[in-house]
Amino acid sequence: AQKITQTQPGMFVQEKEAVTLDCTYDTSDPSYGLFWYKQPSSGEMIFLIYQGSYDQQNATEGRYSLNFQKARKSANLVISASQLGDSAMYFCAMREGPQGAQKLVFGQGTRLTINP
Amino acid sequence: GAVVSQHPSWVICKSGTSVKIECRSLDFQATTMFWYRQFPKQSLMLMATSNEGSKATYEQGVEKDKFLINHASLTLSTLTVTSAHPEDSSFYICSARDYRAEQTPDTQYFGPGTRLTVL
Repeated sequence: AQKITQTQPGMFVQEKEAVTLDCTYDTSDPSYGLFWYKQPSSGEMIFLIYQGSYDQQNATEGRYSLNFQKARKSANLVISASQLGDSAMYFCAMREGPQGAQKLVFGQGTRLTINP
Repeated sequence: GAVVSQHPSWVICKSGTSVKIECRSLDFQATTMFWYRQFPKQSLMLMATSNEGSKATYEQGVEKDKFLINHASLTLSTLTVTSAHPEDSSFYICSARDYRAEQTPDTQYFGPGTRLTVL
């Protein structure tokens, strides 16, 4: 079974609009972490935001926020006021187990295109 | 933030040759580094976990004799693709954890990647 599911292969959004990228996860471990990374065409993976399973509040980082719905096992990324430079692939990832556990499992990614 | 470099950024080699890729943590010490492989339009697949001073831990299905990993220092891990073949052509990307980061100590910071093309 897929550990991380990103159901949107592609998204097209008008500049300055907000966009939500979906991510659902599957784990039976009570301790886990969720990450979002951005991969522009250059290939580098850029860390955007992190949410721990025990965090009470949704993570925010500038224009990025994570809509964490634990009961639904979803961790959607919200980008406010999108910019042309936000066009990229976006990957959701999960670390199972407590901090110190090593592995990250990645979803298939969503290609976001911001239109002027 | 934590900076990870990779060298070379791209390499073209003939079938049967070996290629070495370096991954360096520039401003922090990384006891653990990770090597991923990414095919075009696909996600990242973890190949192995590289631990400083000990043997790497390989994921199921990854040939350890083909993908040699050495983590000789706290800032350098190398991946050697031995006897490369066209099917090894891919984007190889490393990452490292910065244990100094108090809030997200297990966030992985990625290098810029190495594009390998085997002719």
